[in-house]
Amino acid sequence: AQTVTQSQPEMSVQEAETVTLSCTYDTSESDYYLFWYKQPPSRQMILVIRQEAYKQQNATENRFSVNFQKAAKSFSLKISDSQLGDAAMYFCAYRIPYGGATNKLIFGTGTLLAVQP
Amino acid sequence: DAGVIQSPRHEVTEMGQEVTLRCKPISGHDYLFWYRQTMMRGLELLIYFNNNVPIDDSGMPEDRFSAKMPNASFSTLKIQPSEPRDSAVYFCASSRDRVNYGYTFGSGTRLTVV
Repeated sequence: AQTVTQSQPEMSVQEAETVTLSCTYDTSESDYYLFWYKQPPSRQMILVIRQEAYKQQNATENRFSVNFQKAAKSFSLKISDSQLGDAAMYFCAYRIPYGGATNKLIFGTGTLLAVQP
Repeated sequence: DAGVIQSPRHEVTEMGQEVTLRCKPISGHDYLFWYRQTMMRGLELLIYFNNNVPIDDSGMPEDRFSAKMPNASFSTLKIQPSEPRDSAVYFCASSRDRVNYGYTFGSGTRLTVV
């Protein structure tokens, strides 16, 4: 069964600094998708960034980038120039690219990020 | 695009009462998902639909929970009778058929059963 592990329950970063959140996953599939979601105190789940496993190039969205290591089954999120608004719970998630009964998004347990002014 | 719309945003009910949570997915999305979030168990998938048909309900905790999707624009999650351990945030999410998209989540319903 596929699992997603986030080993850092909490992280803290100074404003304007860079922080990296870790995520590992377990799968026997070769093709899949990975996601990072942000959940601020408003509890809205917001998609931050996605990565296709068949792409070697790491995804980037403005200040957010990933370090995707397929062989190591690692998918970390780097936040550059951290801002107060980045404070939130961050969830790593996995999904296989097939429809029907296997179409599920599997979440990790989350990392709570605090941003210090 | 108004996003995924859930109602109510908060619900407080007494143990034993029936609770109905509602969701309107994004137009054109073929998949609809119901998740439950608690501190102890994190985000759990309860059930999901494809083209209004339930595909996997293995996450539904027990017979007190039921979900329906009578048409492409509306779904309900019902708990009858409710219990204090059902207290959680319930999210609805929808997705296009192309699975490289992530889900779009609603704002969630915070359910408190007293």
